[in-house]
Amino acid sequence: EIVLTQSPGTLSLSPGERATLSCRASQSVSSSYLAWYQQKPGQAPRLLIYGASSRATGIPDRFSGSGSGTDFTLTISRLEPEDFAVYYCQQYGSSPVTFGQGTKLEIK
Amino acid sequence: QLQLQESGPGLVKPSETLSLTCTVSGGSISSSSYYWGWIRQPPGKGLEWIGSIYYSGSTYYNPSLKSRVTISVDTSKNQFSLKLSSVTAADTAVYYCARRGAADLDYWGQGTLVTVSS
Repeated sequence: EIVLTQSPGTLSLSPGERATLSCRASQSVSSSYLAWYQQKPGQAPRLLIYGASSRATGIPDRFSGSGSGTDFTLTISRLEPEDFAVYYCQQYGSSPVTFGQGTKLEIK
Repeated sequence: QLQLQESGPGLVKPSETLSLTCTVSGGSISSSSYYWGWIRQPPGKGLEWIGSIYYSGSTYYNPSLKSRVTISVDTSKNQFSLKLSSVTAADTAVYYCARRGAADLDYWGQGTLVTVSS
């Protein structure tokens, strides 16, 4: 099973700042099958990025994904108030599908 | 617009079987492009993949739950279902259904909280 470790656990930033979230895999993620999700309290997760760097439909271009192999990054270029939430990475290239433990992005 | 809606009991007794159904509207569950999956999230914790099913009935389960999980599909009703047997308090969670395609989990239900308690 591929274990995904996200860092930091909590990130405190202000609107307008740049956010960089990390996801490290215990072994190489097949074909960059790595996704990022955003979850707000009481809501289902929302797909942001798939294939490590492709934005899902309707996702603003301030969200970008990068990386390959075992190291992946989600970058939010300029934080908007609605971006403060929990973010999860997920690999879906190997069985079983696994998620990281999440990074909470909070307002500073 | 595709919509998924989970339904089922919100309270299940320990050792019994949890049963949930996901109804898909705005699209066909028989599309060859997608799998349909279940994911759960214990209160205040992270996400766990349970398993998925293709419209033909082929399934894939998380090995950690495989001995207790059954996922089935009813194409005539545009629904798929989850059964989890021998539940304990550790199975208390919000259960989500979702569509899985090339972009992975792109549509989700709103989730339903299932509490295991006597």
